[in-house]
Amino acid sequence: SQQGEEDPQALSIQEGENATMNCSYKTSINNLQWYRQNSGRGLVHLILIRSNEREKHSGRLRVTLDTSKKSSSLLITASRAADTASYFCATDDRNNYKLTFGKGTLLTVNP
Amino acid sequence: ETGVTQTPRHLVMGMTNKKSLKCEQHLGHNAMYWYKQSAKKPLELMFVYSLEERVENNSVPSRFSPECPNSSHLFLHLHTLQPEDSALYLCASSQDVAGPPGAQYFGPGTRLLVL
Repeated sequence: SQQGEEDPQALSIQEGENATMNCSYKTSINNLQWYRQNSGRGLVHLILIRSNEREKHSGRLRVTLDTSKKSSSLLITASRAADTASYFCATDDRNNYKLTFGKGTLLTVNP
Repeated sequence: ETGVTQTPRHLVMGMTNKKSLKCEQHLGHNAMYWYKQSAKKPLELMFVYSLEERVENNSVPSRFSPECPNSSHLFLHLHTLQPEDSALYLCASSQDVAGPPGAQYFGPGTRLLVL
């Protein structure tokens, strides 16, 4: 069954605004990862947050993890047109080394 | 993206053709993966190799045949494909498959169209 599921499916904002994307998952995890994919290209790893961490920052990215709610959020601050892409969360299974990806959130940042 | 390369970038093939996709990683990783990405569907894991040994075959039809001659190279051999196999095929690598998954590094993908 699908592990990670992103919300919303699509998000359109103006340059300079913040973008928040959410991910919900079903089973216990070791860590959760966020990836970005520009149209028709490969995925780029953004950030990994471990199950014992609650928040992590990387540049303009802020990721939170709430294991009690089985959810994570990705915040992109001061967005730029170049941030336009699909964003995916990926979760593992505590008993498994595989990553399971969601369907993604398509973020459009308008100049 | 230069850490993991894939060729060709685009491929059009008929259902009776045989072709191969190639992936090469320059990151010194021990694990390599093939994924299929179709429109409106989540990324699907197809195969996992760890130190050239296949550790996962995710119920993939036999018309897809992987090959991993060494830890830097991964191939996906294609034969008698169906139109529904048209998709973006992504290769990825990671440090290893032991323990919780770490970051995976993806190639740019091969856009495959089966006519």
